[in-house]
Amino acid sequence: DAKTTQPPSMDCAEGRAANLPCNHSTISGNEYVYWYRQIHSQGPQYIIHGLKNNETNEMASLIITEDRKSSTLILPHATLRDTAVYYCIVGGGGTSYGKLTFGQGTILTVHP
Amino acid sequence: DTGVSQNPRHKITKRGQNVTFRCDPISEHNRLYWYRQTLGQGPEFLTYFQNEAQLEKSRLLSDRFSAERPKGSFSTLEIQRTEQGDSAMYLCASSLGGNSYNEQFFGPGTRLTVL
Repeated sequence: DAKTTQPPSMDCAEGRAANLPCNHSTISGNEYVYWYRQIHSQGPQYIIHGLKNNETNEMASLIITEDRKSSTLILPHATLRDTAVYYCIVGGGGTSYGKLTFGQGTILTVHP
Repeated sequence: DTGVSQNPRHKITKRGQNVTFRCDPISEHNRLYWYRQTLGQGPEFLTYFQNEAQLEKSRLLSDRFSAERPKGSFSTLEIQRTEQGDSAMYLCASSLGGNSYNEQFFGPGTRLTVL
């Protein structure tokens, strides 16, 4: 079973920041938080991952709370092409082979 | 295009028939994964290969399912005696090995419909 809880759906206006929350209250000390997204009719796409510190890349920012029980994915300037299902995943990191356990994710709809 | 290809993209078959899907990962990736996704659900892990060795199989992978990666390159997933419940999208992903996390690159999937 997935170890994360996400809202089933969210809306965002184009050009605004999209903030997608994820609860992972049972995360263990060596588990990472990963975010993937799936645009309709495509395979999932990696976005970002983190352990304790906040992370930023060209796609998004990941904010992890100090107790690591929740996190937020931030898309700073959402576009229509960001409409997708966003999956928050908790799992082994480092040398782990990286099996992904997906939940049902959050359907993000970006409106014009 | 992620560089991971899957064939066929669509397959329609009758119950009881055997089907085989192929996945060609990114050439330097030694890790290969198969997932299954039904409508409205997230992908579910089926099996994992490190080079040619199959190192983990999900309990979802019944005896009717078999996967191979004979030379550590492409992989095949065969379903024997298909059932209507096998209808799903079958996704393949690959990643580099090593000592740090390597993102998984997913193919476009093979959509199976069992009539």
